[in-house]
Amino acid sequence: AQKVTQAQTEISVVEKEDVTLDCVYETRDTTYYLFWYKQPPSGELVFLIRRNSFDEQNEISGRYSWNFQKSTSSFNFTITASQVVDSAVYFCALNQAGTALIFGKGTTLSVSS
Amino acid sequence: GAGVSQSPSNKVTEKGKDVELRCDPISGHTALYWYRQSLGQGLEFLIYFQGNSAPDKSGLPSDRFSAERTGGSVSTLTIQRTQQEDSAVYLCASSLVAQASTPGELFFGEGSRLTVL
Repeated sequence: AQKVTQAQTEISVVEKEDVTLDCVYETRDTTYYLFWYKQPPSGELVFLIRRNSFDEQNEISGRYSWNFQKSTSSFNFTITASQVVDSAVYFCALNQAGTALIFGKGTTLSVSS
Repeated sequence: GAGVSQSPSNKVTEKGKDVELRCDPISGHTALYWYRQSLGQGLEFLIYFQGNSAPDKSGLPSDRFSAERTGGSVSTLTIQRTQQEDSAVYLCASSLVAQASTPGELFFGEGSRLTVL
């Protein structure tokens, strides 16, 4: 069975701090896909990244970076120099081809000025 | 519009009534998902349609819940004999699966907020 665990329910930081959101997953398949989504206060979910299980290269996009480590079944998300606009709920998700995308319970990030 | 459209955006109903929630996916998207998000909770998977394959109904919480997708496009989620615990935001998402083996990015609608009194 697939499972995604986001152990951090809520995180509060001050602007310009770096913050890492943890994601640990469980799957028996060797081919799978990992995602991060952002849900701002407006409510609509926004896709951030997709990574397949064969690509362990870390990825950086502006202030966002992702660290995928199969050895620990983790796909952590780091925001560098956080900003108030980063305040949102962040979801990690997992699926295999042809199956439903399963989400973690989310981490609520609050960035204060 | 170009995005996923859901209606109604808000629905207030009395316990025991049936409700229907509608989702118009992005044109050409072969995969369609329904999720439920209760206050302060994560996204709970309900049902998944992929092309002409039999839907994955493994997330439906009870037999009061059902969904269909007509003509591979519009989907309707039906909740019969609603209960107060059904109160939540029901989110629909669609994706374009370019290859059978590669899940696509999900595009979400704004959701239908259901309140059962």
